Amino acid sequence: GAVVSQHPSWVICKSGTSVKIECRSLDFQATTMFWYRQFPKQSLMLMATSNEGSKATYEQGVEKDKFLINHASLTLSTLTVTSAHPEDSSFYICSARASDQPQHFGDGTRLSIL
Amino acid sequence: LAKTTQPISMDSYEGQEVNITCSHNNIATNDYITWYQQFPSQGPRFIIQGYKTKVTNEVASLFIPADRKSSTLSLPRVSLSDTAVYYCLVGPTDTGRRALTFGSGTRLQVQP
Repeated sequence: GAVVSQHPSWVICKSGTSVKIECRSLDFQATTMFWYRQFPKQSLMLMATSNEGSKATYEQGVEKDKFLINHASLTLSTLTVTSAHPEDSSFYICSARASDQPQHFGDGTRLSIL
Repeated sequence: LAKTTQPISMDSYEGQEVNITCSHNNIATNDYITWYQQFPSQGPRFIIQGYKTKVTNEVASLFIPADRKSSTLSLPRVSLSDTAVYYCLVGPTDTGRRALTFGSGTRLQVQP
């Protein structure tokens, strides 16, 4: 149980392109979904917290106009990296959580901007 | 959220028991302790969660002393496939609306 699916797992695109990443909780309804970013050899850094039907809460230093988050249902959240540039290249990981349950993570999306 | 401190790295050999200790001196009354495992290019995988004393599941045991200011993840008879980064996180489960904050983790290297 508690499976979180993230898609795509890997994307390469040109600078200036917008990229959408999907995160789905497959067998449970997530109270909240979270988006993290991870650089090589570093730990996960929280970018934003997303509750279904409401605006996402972004961490300090994360541009909300750059990283658009939509949480349309209790099982789906999307992260759109708008006008991506090489410095946005990273490993993006989503997480979903039901009330009183541990966070469960997707397998991440490797984003490479050329 | 409570800050955690773990060893940066550990080495072990196949078949040995590995114990990774995490310090969380300012843990709050309603905080739980959760451990995750992460392989390269994958998301973290839930291992075990506990509040006090001892918790055991099919893959690990979690030991928490009475003062809860530290915890120890015990991996019995490790194999090469247990080589990964292990994260100790502390936070409330409550409504689930707050994210867990990741520390630097412990990089475990298992050798033949």
